[in-house]
Amino acid sequence: DVVMTQSPLSLPVTLGQPASISCRSSQSLVHNDGNTYLNWFQQRPGQSPRRLIYEVSNRDSGVPDRFSGSGSGTDFTLRISRVEAEDVGVYYCMQGTHWPWTFGQGTKVEIK
Amino acid sequence: QVQLVESGGGVVQPGGSLRLSCATSGFTFSRYGFHWVRQAPGKGLESLAFIFYDRDNQKYADSVKGRFTISRDNSKNTLYLQMNSLRPEDTALYYCARDVKYSADYWGQGTLVTVSS
Repeated sequence: DVVMTQSPLSLPVTLGQPASISCRSSQSLVHNDGNTYLNWFQQRPGQSPRRLIYEVSNRDSGVPDRFSGSGSGTDFTLRISRVEAEDVGVYYCMQGTHWPWTFGQGTKVEIK
Repeated sequence: QVQLVESGGGVVQPGGSLRLSCATSGFTFSRYGFHWVRQAPGKGLESLAFIFYDRDNQKYADSVKGRFTISRDNSKNTLYLQMNSLRPEDTALYYCARDVKYSADYWGQGTLVTVSS
């Protein structure tokens, strides 16, 4: 299985400041069709996962533009330009290129 | 609006069985594949099973292969997960999720399965 490694696992952030989460995969996430199926999910306390980003950098409808994704191959990043209180939660990267899907360990974002 | 609602969770003894359901609405069920994903208490997410829109094709994670069976009833817009030979390590919140191009865009709220004697 593809191993997804996130860092950091805990991210205390000051309101209004940027935040960045790294996700690395144990093998390339480029699919045979040429696309890269790397997703980012947000899980707020007590809630189900919510997809934020798909195919590396595409934001889902309703996701604030302070969230952005980037990367290629095996190295990916989720950035929050200015953290707001509602961004508190755990963020997971997930690869859909290879079965089974695998998720990173999660990065807990909290307000300092 | 798109909704997925899981049910069927509960407490079961090791070696027992349980069937989870995921009732959906707000979209054309037969056009989509679906996943079951679980989250052990305080832990991360684990993908378990996937069923294609045409129901004849399924995929399973090694951790549940041979014990769990994913199925669907397009007439009822419902997804199922039959879980047999349950183990304490299967204790988790079980989510169903709608597949869209190697991703999951909508998730249910989850149903809790506890395997304990």
